[in-house]
Amino acid sequence: DAGVIQSPRHEVTEMGQEVTLRCKPISGHNSLFWYRQTMMRGLELLIYFNNNVPIDDSGMPEDRFSAKMPNASFSTLKIQPSEPRDSAVYFCASSLGSGQLGGEAFFGQGTRLTVV
Amino acid sequence: GENVEQHPSTLSVQEGDSAVIKCTYSDSASNYFPWYKQELGKRPQLIIDIRSNVGEKKDQRIAVTLNKTAKHFSLHITETQPEDSAVYFCAAGNSGGYQKVTFGIGTKLQVIP
Repeated sequence: DAGVIQSPRHEVTEMGQEVTLRCKPISGHNSLFWYRQTMMRGLELLIYFNNNVPIDDSGMPEDRFSAKMPNASFSTLKIQPSEPRDSAVYFCASSLGSGQLGGEAFFGQGTRLTVV
Repeated sequence: GENVEQHPSTLSVQEGDSAVIKCTYSDSASNYFPWYKQELGKRPQLIIDIRSNVGEKKDQRIAVTLNKTAKHFSLHITETQPEDSAVYFCAAGNSGGYQKVTFGIGTKLQVIP
């Protein structure tokens, strides 16, 4: 397996534009997480899905952010409209199992978003 | 929800010395405590984890300790090497259900040759 795959790796966009980040989790994993990383706030959990269902989106900063997981192999994080303060690295991660088998989250390479 | 505090935020050690990073958590229901290493420009990767049924776990030069009563856990790196230089994140969560963890702010470790 190639691991968690994110696209694009880098995105530069103008303020006000719509941005869509994409993620393909590891096949067979049943949980998917979207994180935002900044120097000031570290790794923040934005939203996570279990079996394609959004479980907790309390970390989503504003209504401008939305996420979907239409099937087990694909998820998107959309920002509309984008603002300069959204500039960050966005990570997608997936994990499998629960109890003593569960826990380890495998991260994608991240998408570095710059909003100018 | 869970709140994880991590310190120090930066740590410099001489090559060969030990490094210790400490974290505290707030939710007594948390039972899973992973540590991730993130090298510059790369993704976080799990280096070691511990579950609440054990107090200590060791993997070569890395060890983690857990004190559930005090709600704190620590990462110990012995005989540090320059390639240990990275940002280290602790996290706490529940390994049941959805495996959600909350991360600490990170510790930037610099090993000076």
